[in-house]
Amino acid sequence: GAVVSQHPSWVICKSGTSVKIECRSLDFQATTMFWYRQFPKQSLMLMATSNEGSKATYEQGVEKDKFLINHASLTLSTLTVTSAHPEDSSFYICSARSQGNNQPQHFGDGTRLSIL
Amino acid sequence: AQSVAQPEDQVNVAEGNPLTVKCTYSVSGNPYLFWYVQYPNRGLQFLLKYITGDNLVKGSYGFEAEFNKSQTSFHLKKPSALVSDSALYFCAVRDPGGKLQFGAGTQVVVTP
Repeated sequence: GAVVSQHPSWVICKSGTSVKIECRSLDFQATTMFWYRQFPKQSLMLMATSNEGSKATYEQGVEKDKFLINHASLTLSTLTVTSAHPEDSSFYICSARSQGNNQPQHFGDGTRLSIL
Repeated sequence: AQSVAQPEDQVNVAEGNPLTVKCTYSVSGNPYLFWYVQYPNRGLQFLLKYITGDNLVKGSYGFEAEFNKSQTSFHLKKPSALVSDSALYFCAVRDPGGKLQFGAGTQVVVTP
């Protein structure tokens, strides 16, 4: 089946550090990738959508200068949390979909980010 | 606007008993519906989808879902639950822009 690899799975860093999270589709071409944030015992909140080679589209209320998204190839998207602060601590999940709105989204295993 | 609702925060069932996780939807046009499962500290795993065709959709791990247009429901079912089915289940609908709108999630607890 379709596999999405997300790395790292867990990161702890000091306040003010920038953190990069990678999301790779291993066996299909991900024309569209999504980044979500999930708070404990809550549903997923979509942060942004990116299409390969294009700028990401951010949801309302998500700071694009804070959460930098790059989708430079059909198999890789990155999310960089710039100058992270404790309130950025969360579980971040990426997902990828091949071309076509009817295709299912496949999710990475998430990244637990803890900012001290 | 497209949305789904999961009316139950938690469902408790004994192992071997039937499991049902409820989902209702509100869409304009044809609904594209999905079920995902999430284990602790993991991403979501795709279980099944309904786009068109048969109202009974079969998915992974023995799960199935029944699309009911008159009741605007898409309940997830499994005839005989396993302890390993204990997880968080999300119903989702795809909006016209291709984004998934998730329900709040239902925690399933299967007891031995």
